[in-house]
Amino acid sequence: EDKVVQSPLSLVVHEGDTVTLNCSYEVTNFRSLLWYKQEKKAPTFLFMLTSSGIEKKSGRLSSILDKKELFSILNITATQTGDSAIYLCAVLSGTYKYIFGTGTRLKVLA
Amino acid sequence: GAVVSQHPSWVICKSGTSVKIECRSLDFQATTMFWYRQFPKQSLMLMATSNEGSKATYEQGVEKDKFLINHASLTLSTLTVTSAHPEDSSFYICSGGQITDTQYFGPGTRLTVL
Repeated sequence: EDKVVQSPLSLVVHEGDTVTLNCSYEVTNFRSLLWYKQEKKAPTFLFMLTSSGIEKKSGRLSSILDKKELFSILNITATQTGDSAIYLCAVLSGTYKYIFGTGTRLKVLA
Repeated sequence: GAVVSQHPSWVICKSGTSVKIECRSLDFQATTMFWYRQFPKQSLMLMATSNEGSKATYEQGVEKDKFLINHASLTLSTLTVTSAHPEDSSFYICSGGQITDTQYFGPGTRLTVL
């Protein structure tokens, strides 16, 4: 059965800290891995990763994929209170379905 | 980025009534739309995959007669919750895109069934 596991489930840090969120997967015929940020409403797209070892970066956020070890990490440096959200990892399978992890709930304290 | 809208944003209805939720891609054509539901503090659970011009594919455990999906055009898919009951109360989210591309999410519809 395809599955996506995120860790930790929940994280509380102070502003300025750096956090690393983990996503591991076991998915038949992997196509791509995506990271989303969800605040009070629907998720917003952050990154899509298809190739191993190539870091994607956007401001203070970066992500990398390891297709050999079947995981991805999302890094957030110099965290701000506005980074507080649920971060979702999803994998697109061979049948073109998106399988979501349970998410990591990040809380950044001022 | 691409924009997906949902209507309504929030609906409260009585038990036994039917509710229709619309999902529109505003600036692109979505050959595929996905419907998810999300319970509080849980992740997105895929309900069904909707392909334009064909029948939707439902995930295991999702009743196709209860959750009717219609994808009549490349910019509109609808989800109708028939004879809604309190256990159907949830946050329903759609996403759209090309099948191999990034999916863009709508803002979601919060359904409360009394």
